[in-house]
Amino acid sequence: AQKVTQAQTEISVVEKEDVTLDCVYETRDTTYYLFWYKQPPSGELVFLIRRNSFDEQNEISGRYSWNFQKSTSSFNFTITASQVVDSAVYFCALNAGNNRKLIWGLGTSLAVNP
Amino acid sequence: NAGVTQTPKFQVLKTGQSMTLQCAQDMNHEYMSWYRQDPGMGLRLIHYSVGAGITDQGEVPNGYNVSRSTTEDFPLRLLSAAPSQTSVYFCASSPDTWNTEAFFGQGTRLTVV
Repeated sequence: AQKVTQAQTEISVVEKEDVTLDCVYETRDTTYYLFWYKQPPSGELVFLIRRNSFDEQNEISGRYSWNFQKSTSSFNFTITASQVVDSAVYFCALNAGNNRKLIWGLGTSLAVNP
Repeated sequence: NAGVTQTPKFQVLKTGQSMTLQCAQDMNHEYMSWYRQDPGMGLRLIHYSVGAGITDQGEVPNGYNVSRSTTEDFPLRLLSAAPSQTSVYFCASSPDTWNTEAFFGQGTRLTVV
């Protein structure tokens, strides 16, 4: 079975704190892709990153970083020095094997308070 | 570059009414899909298309129809609206397969009373 678990339903931090959003996935396929999307209060979903199963290098993009660990089936997302504009719901998603769809986590709602 | 355009943004329907949610993309993407987003349920795939003239069912297709007569357009039809179809609907497109970046429309908030 394929599954994505985002155990943190809601997180609240104060601006400038670092915050990590967890994503744990399940798949038996050796080829798969992991994604993070952001859904700000305005509602649209915005792509943040894609990582394939053969590339375990961590990724950094400004204040955002992603830690992919196959050993723990995790693809965690860290925001450094969080800002109010980071307040959003963040979704982790998986596409594996020949599956003709994305498997979505239920999302983590992040509130960054001034 | 408009990306993915969804209309309308808000809609209220009475039970039993039908309507079409419009979705158009100008990126020449082959893959298009419709999702519904409900609290506690995440995003669920309704229907998808891998190219003009080709559509298939997703996880929750009942009560919805789609067609893909052109690469650009992928309308979603609600045949006879039910309160259970109250949701936020998203159209998405991606250039190639399911393992590439998806571009989403702004969503349609539908209420069925």
